[in-house]
Amino acid sequence: NAGVTQTPKFRILKIGQSMTLQCTQDMNHNYMYWYRQDPGMGLKLIYYSVGAGITDKGEVPNGYNVSRSTTEDFPLRLELAAPSQTSVYFCASSWAGEKGEQYFGPGTRLTVT
Amino acid sequence: AQRVTQPEKLLSVFKGAPVELKCNYSYSGSPELFWYVQYSRQRLQLLLRHISRESIKGFTADLNKGETSFHLKKPFAQEEDSAMYYCALSGLTGGGNKLTFGTGTQLKVEL
Repeated sequence: NAGVTQTPKFRILKIGQSMTLQCTQDMNHNYMYWYRQDPGMGLKLIYYSVGAGITDKGEVPNGYNVSRSTTEDFPLRLELAAPSQTSVYFCASSWAGEKGEQYFGPGTRLTVT
Repeated sequence: AQRVTQPEKLLSVFKGAPVELKCNYSYSGSPELFWYVQYSRQRLQLLLRHISRESIKGFTADLNKGETSFHLKKPFAQEEDSAMYYCALSGLTGGGNKLTFGTGTQLKVEL
């Protein structure tokens, strides 16, 4: 199993551009999450999903959108990128019945200039 | 609001010395606490959870509700313990098994 995969690994965006961060998991997990991590800070939840077609906001959702059309995929969309969105983005997934254990992807380092 | 505090950004110890990584939390309900670890060039992964009361790689952590703490301890540090450690709390309402993470402590074990 590949686990949780994320693409791209790195990306530089200009202010105002848009992009989609891809996340795929092959563990048939119900739950999926998007976090961002700023330097010296902990991970902050952007959006999460408890199943296909169901998404909800986390702590810092502004400037982002998500969709969950399949169990495997949970893309994160940035519209009108801003320098404040420069961060490392992590996708994670977990079983519905397994509280606390989330499986993380390798991360995407995004710079907005 | 729930919060997880890790007061030390960096903890440097010598090999063989005891290690204690501090974690304090703020939560009004009954929390579940976890430690995650990220080794160099590896993904963030679960190290241990308080509810299982287990020892993983020699590390233990006891939940102290009176002091609202969940410190991670190891009696004798090894070089391979050098990593970033995050304390996390599960207790948010709304389902989804969401976690609140602390800011992390970088553990450096020196020879």
